[in-house]
Amino acid sequence: DQQVKQNSPSLSVQEGRISILNCDYTNSMFDYFLWYKKYPAEGPTFLISISSIKDKNEDGRFTVFLNKSAKHLSLHIVPSQPGDSAVYFCAASATGNTPLVFGKGTRLSVIA
Amino acid sequence: DSGVTQTPKHLITATGQRVTLRCSPRSGDLSVYWYQQSLDQGLQFLIQYYNGEERAKGNILERFSAQQFPDLHSELNLSSLELGDSALYFCASSGPSSGNTIYFGEGSWLTVV
Repeated sequence: DQQVKQNSPSLSVQEGRISILNCDYTNSMFDYFLWYKKYPAEGPTFLISISSIKDKNEDGRFTVFLNKSAKHLSLHIVPSQPGDSAVYFCAASATGNTPLVFGKGTRLSVIA
Repeated sequence: DSGVTQTPKHLITATGQRVTLRCSPRSGDLSVYWYQQSLDQGLQFLIQYYNGEERAKGNILERFSAQQFPDLHSELNLSSLELGDSALYFCASSGPSSGNTIYFGEGSWLTVV
C-alpha cells in the first residue's frame, strides 16, 4: 500500500514556464513533507520542506503548497530552467522523526 | 557534497554471494538510514539506526542485516544474493541540526549476475 503517491512518472516543461509536480498521501499521521531532487548517478538532495502547520513554503524559485484536507502537496518551480531537469521525489514523515516515506518520483524535463 | 560517504560506488557479484556496503554519516549525525532503489521503484526504506541501536525497520529481507558501530559508521550486509537484489542502495543520515531532513550519500550500485 503506497502511502505517498506521485501519479505522474514524467513531466515536460518549456524553459521559463512553471513546473508543477504533484504528490498525494494517505496517512493522516504525516505532518512533515519534503521534496528531494535526484540527478543520474547521484544521491537525492534535499530541496524544500513544509510542516503541516503551514500551507505554503517558498525558497527562491521553489514553492511547496500543502492542502491537508485533500492530503495533497505540490512543488512549483518558477521559472523552470534546463538545470532543473531531474527526478523529483516527494517524501513524508510522522511526528517522532519516523523514517521518511518516499513516492516513486516524477522525472522533470525542462526543454530549452 | 552531502557529507555522507558510501563505499563501494559500484559492485558486481554473483548470485549466492554476500556483500557489505559501508556508510559514514555526516559529522555529528547519530541516525543512519538505508534505502533501496530498484528499477522503476521509489526509495524503499530498509532500516534505521540511532547511536548504535536499531530504531526502525522497513521492508528489509531476512537475508539482509545492518549495524551501526561506536564510531557511528554503518554497514549493510546482503547475503545469499539474488538477481532481484540488483539495485541502488542509499545511506542517509540525520542529526540534531537537521530535524526531519535526511541527507543522502551517492549510493552503492549493486549488480548481481
